[in-house]
Amino acid sequence: GAGVSQSPRYKVAKRGQDVALRCDPISGHVSLFWYQQALGQGPEFLTYFQNEAQLDKSGLPSDRFFAERPEGSVSTLKIQRTQQEDSAVYLCASSSQGGHGGYTFGSGTRLTVV
Amino acid sequence: AQKVTQAQTEISVVEKEDVTLDCVYETRDTTYYLFWYKQPPSGELVFLIRRNSFDEQNEISGRYSWNFQKSTSSFNFTITASQVVDSAVYFCALILGSNYKLTFGKGTLLTVNP
Repeated sequence: GAGVSQSPRYKVAKRGQDVALRCDPISGHVSLFWYQQALGQGPEFLTYFQNEAQLDKSGLPSDRFFAERPEGSVSTLKIQRTQQEDSAVYLCASSSQGGHGGYTFGSGTRLTVV
Repeated sequence: AQKVTQAQTEISVVEKEDVTLDCVYETRDTTYYLFWYKQPPSGELVFLIRRNSFDEQNEISGRYSWNFQKSTSSFNFTITASQVVDSAVYFCALILGSNYKLTFGKGTLLTVNP
């Protein structure tokens, strides 16, 4: 596609519910990143994929967070047993190369846990 | 560890005024990349500029200009003759040369009033 597409745009979850957030990167982009942006803060790194390989998951805040990219294109970020502190905007970015920025970001999914 | 500080939380100006957004960074690495992103209300992060640590030349792009000074670890962003469409949150960010993770500042909310 022309840009990075994320769905849903908004998600309200009850505490304890599992959620799945989807990211459709730009076609052919090898690298894919997930960032978490809390209200009033800058985005923070969660995880990095190169094709289908998850090369870095050091930013995932707990073992309730899980990300996958099984065919090297679409990625899903799953959060199990959501907590109120998980409320944030989750941004996906893709790039044709591995590093040094210039990534294309999606519009994000705003997750609210009630 | 690296850090990016944007001391201005919010700035409000009247259309056609010039405005400078400040960014100060910290890193011990000699190779790094600095960025500015714009985040309009729609939520996506729009890439504005990337500079590497070896190029201190200032850059101008239309109404936008950037001043990179290694001596003060600053990478400031100036908008000349601001317009209402410039209203957004602006983020300064840093990537180390050996890495791919963006470290963001907390952002500056710019409001341009008609």
